[in-house]
Amino acid sequence: QVQLVESGGGVVQPGGSLRLSCAASGFTFNSNGMHWVRQAPGKGLEWVAYIGYDGAHKFYADSVRGRFTISRDNSKNTLYLQMISLRAEDTAVYYCTKDSAWSCDYWGQGTLVTVSS
Amino acid sequence: QSALTQPASVSGSPGQSITISCTGSSSDVGGYNHVSWYQQRPGKAPKLMIYEVSNRPSGVSNRFSGSKSGNTASLTISGLQAEDEADYYCNSYTDSVGWVFGGGTKVTVL
Repeated sequence: QVQLVESGGGVVQPGGSLRLSCAASGFTFNSNGMHWVRQAPGKGLEWVAYIGYDGAHKFYADSVRGRFTISRDNSKNTLYLQMISLRAEDTAVYYCTKDSAWSCDYWGQGTLVTVSS
Repeated sequence: QSALTQPASVSGSPGQSITISCTGSSSDVGGYNHVSWYQQRPGKAPKLMIYEVSNRPSGVSNRFSGSKSGNTASLTISGLQAEDEADYYCNSYTDSVGWVFGGGTKVTVL
């Protein structure tokens, strides 16, 4: 069965950096695009970034472009999100999701990032 | 990137049908059939309910259906049940930079 397990969340000061990881299993990782989606406390879903199956194509939300970098290591079946210059408004649960037919068909349980001094 | 527009809340009695709208523009909902819908229960990760406007993933009840007209997509839940009470989000591919979600709709079963 498909499993997506995020890790790397925590508390970081404004201006700080953090790298999230997502370990994937149960499907052919190198054949699927992947997304990061976040949800601020008590708020709705916000799409963050997408990476194509081979890492060649990447897209970012305006709110994170230039600060966040999505990447993947197909040899390790792992997705990453490098986040720098973090702001209070980046506080959220970050979900790793698998792309299928332009939608997110499987989601991880999420990892909480808190940006606070 | 502007979020797609959804009503904040929709309610209905058990057995009734309800429809949630999702309004975008010709750059997203109206321009592509890449519209999906997600159900999220409190404290849980979202679950895909509809993809490509009207397709149901395996295991999703046929009480859930999707459609699109112009720049507006819709999710209809027929035969409303207590277990359908949740937040629902629409999502669309957009030609600006990627994907965009709606603001979410809270469904209440009266």
